Amino acid sequence: DAKTTQPPSMDCAEGRAANLPCNHSTISGNEYVYWYRQIHSQGPQYIIHGLKNNETNEMASLIITEDRKSSTLILPHATLRDTAVYYCIVRTLNSGYSTLTFGKGTMLLVSP
Amino acid sequence: DTGVSQDPRHKITKRGQNVTFRCDPISEHNRLYWYRQTLGQGPEFLTYFQNEAQLEKSRLLSDRFSAERPKGSFSTLEIQRTEQGDSAMYLCASSSDTSYSPLHFGNGTRLTVT
Repeated sequence: DAKTTQPPSMDCAEGRAANLPCNHSTISGNEYVYWYRQIHSQGPQYIIHGLKNNETNEMASLIITEDRKSSTLILPHATLRDTAVYYCIVRTLNSGYSTLTFGKGTMLLVSP
Repeated sequence: DTGVSQDPRHKITKRGQNVTFRCDPISEHNRLYWYRQTLGQGPEFLTYFQNEAQLEKSRLLSDRFSAERPKGSFSTLEIQRTEQGDSAMYLCASSSDTSYSPLHFGNGTRLTVT
């Protein structure tokens, strides 16, 4: 699986958009970008995933650059409950199964 | 609640004792995964089941660790002769058979070995 690079920490004011970047310059054509977050003392929570098109769901938007070498997770109106570690993961999908390889992620702190 | 359930949430044991954790996946999910997470690190893959078959084991899974999924439903992870280095959060996840299906995690079992 391709490796990802994320800033170790970010701050965001409550109510503002949180834009979390991820670099995955070695991503290959059959690899998806997944985002998870982990709130303290809980298991990782799935947020969103995409291949090359931008994706949006009730939690967030995922913007993937045209060359697919980087992506941004957008939380449109951050709340205090969005404070968590956010993991960007590149996952190879083939005819079998594939697991997730976590890095250290980005600690997002949302402040009042 | 139809999410992944793990029991117990916390376990404190003395070095050398055996411990067993249980995971109940989302009912329609055939794939089940175990991960371990130490403080300040992301989760690390331990092992994977497709129904009752254990198809992959990480080199992190030493001989003291054994996992089972006897009927393709719940799974257990046993650690024999625990060591202080086994102190960690043990996470279980499940997913459907679709190759791109996301993994859904439980809230883990926090193990402390004294």
